[in-house]
Amino acid sequence: GQSLEQPSEVTAVEGAIVQINCTYQTSGFNGLFWYQQHAGEAPTFLSYNVLDGLEEKGRFSSFLSRSKGYSYLLLKELQMKDSASYFCAGYNTDKLIFGTGTRLQVFP
Amino acid sequence: ETGVTQTPRHLVMGMTNKKSLKCEQHLGHNAMYWYKQSAKKPLELMFVYNFKEQTENNSVPSRFSPECPNSSHLFLHLHTLQPEDSALYLCASSQATLDSLNTEAFFGQGTRLTVV
Repeated sequence: GQSLEQPSEVTAVEGAIVQINCTYQTSGFNGLFWYQQHAGEAPTFLSYNVLDGLEEKGRFSSFLSRSKGYSYLLLKELQMKDSASYFCAGYNTDKLIFGTGTRLQVFP
Repeated sequence: ETGVTQTPRHLVMGMTNKKSLKCEQHLGHNAMYWYKQSAKKPLELMFVYNFKEQTENNSVPSRFSPECPNSSHLFLHLHTLQPEDSALYLCASSQATLDSLNTEAFFGQGTRLTVV
């Protein structure tokens, strides 16, 4: 089946760099997304990879290796406002399947 | 504001009630989705509509009934729900294409449903 696994929780301090991993077990995805969700709010789009490699977008970067079924989200210069849940999601034709989600806590 | 509006934001209903959740998108997208988000669980895809046609029904119980009258509106009709159905119900829309470009999904704020 289609499943995307993530660590349940990651902690880091302000100014640090943190990596959130996502592993999946299907070859049916046409692309891989990362979303951020603050408590009580809607998920918002962060980044998208359709080819292997690194996509950089300001403080956020996302990496994809399709052959390994692996992606990560890299957050640099962490800020307190980055405390949120982060979801990877695989796109398959006409549906977005979400990963288990990682709760990031940033400490001062 | 993401261009996807959900109403109501909060809903408390009894197990014998019938209610409907509404979603409206102003982005010109052709695909709309219902997701369920329970505590400590990933977002679960419930239904997908592509060009108003239902293309996915992930073994959702019949007490949840979707309706997509046009590409801008999506409803989720609820009846005889169970307490375990209490969750955040999120609507999303995207421009679904075969090459998956520009397929970013935009989410509404969700409806927090409590079944008592």
